[in-house]
Amino acid sequence: NAGVTQTPKFQVLKTGQSMTLQCAQDMNHNSMYWYRQDPGMGLRLIYYSASEGTTDKGEVPNGYNVSRLNKREFSLRLESAAPSQTSVYFCASRPSGGVYEQYFGPGTRLTVT
Amino acid sequence: AQSVTQLGSHVSVSEGALVLLRCNYSSSVPPYLFWYVQYPNQGLQLLLKYTSAATLVKGINGFEAEFKKSETSFHLTKPSAHMSDAAEYFCAVKISAGKSTFGDGTTLTVKP
Repeated sequence: NAGVTQTPKFQVLKTGQSMTLQCAQDMNHNSMYWYRQDPGMGLRLIYYSASEGTTDKGEVPNGYNVSRLNKREFSLRLESAAPSQTSVYFCASRPSGGVYEQYFGPGTRLTVT
Repeated sequence: AQSVTQLGSHVSVSEGALVLLRCNYSSSVPPYLFWYVQYPNQGLQLLLKYTSAATLVKGINGFEAEFKKSETSFHLTKPSAHMSDAAEYFCAVKISAGKSTFGDGTTLTVKP
């Protein structure tokens, strides 16, 4: 049981390049999330998926797109990377029912130059 | 709208000393509250959660937190700090069925 996995662990992009961050969970959770973490700003929600086939914008969605490919996988795409998107990105998942805590992946450290 | 505020972005204690990390919440309904810990270069993991069953909540690694409605607080404590407790700690509150919002984090340093 690997939990939540993310690839890649590190990435350097030039301004304007695109890339997709991958996330997968093997816990049969319904909900999945993408956050970004910046120093002194905690975690900010980018996008959220309550179940396969549904996605909703979070607090900071501009410049990002997501795909909930199936129940296991939730990807985050940067179409045209900007230096302001330099951050650490975390994927998380949550089971359904009355359980509200989230389970986090190890993160992707992205630098945009 | 529900929110949390963590008081103090950095806390430093000596090994063996009491750890106290402060979190105040704002909520118009009975809150679900969480403390998460993030060790260097890792994701967040749940330390403990408050779901209204008991006001004193015990978590992993000897941490506990007390829910005080009168003070709108949910402070995290540990009687005796270990070097391995050095990490960043986040308080969070459930804001909807599927979402939580997180505080800005408190970095705990433990001095030998």
